[in-house]
Amino acid sequence: AQTVTQSQPEMSVQEAETVTLSCTYDTSESDYYLFWYKQPPSRQMILVIRQEAYKQQNATENRFSVNFQKAAKSFSLKISDSQLGDAAMYFCASHVTGTASKLTFGTGTRLQVTL
Amino acid sequence: ETGVTQSPTHLIKTRGQQVTLRCSSQSGHNTVSWYQQALGQGPQFIFQYYREEENGRGNFPPRFSGLQFPNYSSELNVNALELDDSALYLCASSPVGGAYTGELFFGEGSRLTVL
Repeated sequence: AQTVTQSQPEMSVQEAETVTLSCTYDTSESDYYLFWYKQPPSRQMILVIRQEAYKQQNATENRFSVNFQKAAKSFSLKISDSQLGDAAMYFCASHVTGTASKLTFGTGTRLQVTL
Repeated sequence: ETGVTQSPTHLIKTRGQQVTLRCSSQSGHNTVSWYQQALGQGPQFIFQYYREEENGRGNFPPRFSGLQFPNYSSELNVNALELDDSALYLCASSPVGGAYTGELFFGEGSRLTVL
């Protein structure tokens, strides 16, 4: 069974600063994907970034980057130059390749962005 | 390009009743999955539909059922509603081959309250 743990229920960052959200996961599979999703008050889950487990290079998407530590089963999200629009719930998720569209989500981290 | 749309956005039911939630998948997507997100939690996978058949299911009882239509839209039906069924129900669609790698596009959800 897959498990995803987010140990930070809430985080706060000042505008233009950098923040890192933590995530650990557990899987016995070798072929999987990891994701960070953003859920604003509109409720829609929006994909922020995706990492393929077999790729050693950390994924980046503009201001968003991950630190993927496969041996430690850690997958943190770094947001640089934080903006007010980044305020949302952030969910870490895992997916074992080939297991339908079943994603396993963590409990989320609420990110506040202050002026 | 129209994204994933869900209806209704909010609804209130009483315990023991039945509910049907609807989802239109994104253009070109042939796989639909449903998730339940209880308050303060991450989404949990209910099931997936592909080629009008259920082909993946999470840990949900049989009173949760679904349909997929030839145009790839989908319904989620919940019978004998219980108080714990109160949640945000998210629909996600995947392009051809996308479900295999966890490529999901979410709608804004239907908020169900059971009294």
